[in-house]
Amino acid sequence: DTGVSQNPRHKITKRGQNVTFRCDPISEHNRLYWYRQTLGQGPEFLTYFQNEAQLEKSRLLSDRFSAERPKGSFSTLEIQRTEQGDSAMYLCASSLSGQEFLGGTEAFFGQGTRLTVV
Amino acid sequence: DAKTTQPNSMESNEEEPVHLPCNHSTISGTDYIHWYRQLPSQGPEYVIHGLTSNVNNRMASLAIAEDRKSSTLILHRATLRDAAVYYCILRDASGNTGKLIFGQGTTLQVKP
Repeated sequence: DTGVSQNPRHKITKRGQNVTFRCDPISEHNRLYWYRQTLGQGPEFLTYFQNEAQLEKSRLLSDRFSAERPKGSFSTLEIQRTEQGDSAMYLCASSLSGQEFLGGTEAFFGQGTRLTVV
Repeated sequence: DAKTTQPNSMESNEEEPVHLPCNHSTISGTDYIHWYRQLPSQGPEYVIHGLTSNVNNRMASLAIAEDRKSSTLILHRATLRDAAVYYCILRDASGNTGKLIFGQGTTLQVKP
């Protein structure tokens, strides 16, 4: 397995357009996360899936954002009617559930998709 | 989620030890201390985690204060490749999501 894969790596779009990003997690990982990172800041949690179920969404995830993980494998994050404030790095991570009493398992991150809205 | 405080930046010389501090005075009994780092143009990567006892792995050591209100990530011999942002994160063992709440981290510069 080559780790968490995200596509595209870079995306430039005009304000008002819709964009979709894809994340392929490590194959046996049942948990998948989306984060957003702006320059100089740490990543911010957006949403979390366990298998195909979306179990948590941050208040940061406005109604223009939607995420899916239809078969519990890859995931997509769509942003509708993009705004300049959406410009950021979008990171995907995956992990295995369990071992919470030992502090949990490590999360593996992809290299991210850098979105620029012009 | 419990909060951590880290210095914004630190400098080190190559091949010298580096001690990266983290304060977490509001830590609860079920919080584990996790460290991740983010190399330039990369996603974060796991470094180490612990609860009460000091921990060692191939990447680093984690020293946890007896009262658990602070911890220190120790890189024994810094290399240029260790230049990154280091994040100290508290993760609740009683939670069931595994999400990570990142602060701003410490940017480590390693000088040759």
